Amino acid sequence: DAGVIQSPRHEVTEMGQEVTLRCKPISGHNSLFWYRQTMMRGLELLIYFNNNVPIDDSGMPEDRFSAKMPNASFSTLKIQPSEPRDSAVYFCASSLKPPNQPQHFGDGTRLSIL
Amino acid sequence: AQSVTQLGSHVSVSEGALVLLRCNYSSSVPPYLFWYVQYPNQGLQLLLKYTSAATLVKGINGFEAEFKKSETSFHLTKPSAHMSDAAEYFCAVSLFGNEKLTFGTGTRLTIIP
Repeated sequence: DAGVIQSPRHEVTEMGQEVTLRCKPISGHNSLFWYRQTMMRGLELLIYFNNNVPIDDSGMPEDRFSAKMPNASFSTLKIQPSEPRDSAVYFCASSLKPPNQPQHFGDGTRLSIL
Repeated sequence: AQSVTQLGSHVSVSEGALVLLRCNYSSSVPPYLFWYVQYPNQGLQLLLKYTSAATLVKGINGFEAEFKKSETSFHLTKPSAHMSDAAEYFCAVSLFGNEKLTFGTGTRLTIIP
């Protein structure tokens, strides 16, 4: 079975540019999560969706970040404008409806903002 | 609110030795607990999960963890370390009916040949 698919795997862009990260969750999963991982802050939950509806976006750093899930098989995380401090690895994960369902992670997008 | 604390950001063991990675949780209600492993340049993979069915949980790759309510712990062990176990390990907690996971800060495991 296909796992969570993220694209691109690597992104290098200049400060001020718009960045769009993409995620395809596992078919049939109800919940989708976006995380950011850095050395300094570890793994942080940015936002998660349940049945395509955003449930908790309290982890989104600021208004420059936005996330959408137009359908059950696709989600985007957008940064506009990007800044060097946004450099990190961004992970998408999906899971079945709780209780106690594990999250399945993609391989991440390594983002570098110059 | 729930949280997890992983004691030791770096652990080194010799190949063939016991692996013990520590995790303590804080939760006002019975938690669900997970261990994940992350290999370089990859996402997190589930090793095992505790869901109250049994206190000793067996996972993949020979790992197991024991839930101890009295100690609020969920330590991960493996009897004999293998070189392929070198990775970063994360403990995580969630509450019943809540998809949101709270992760620990991770423990990097190094295996000495």
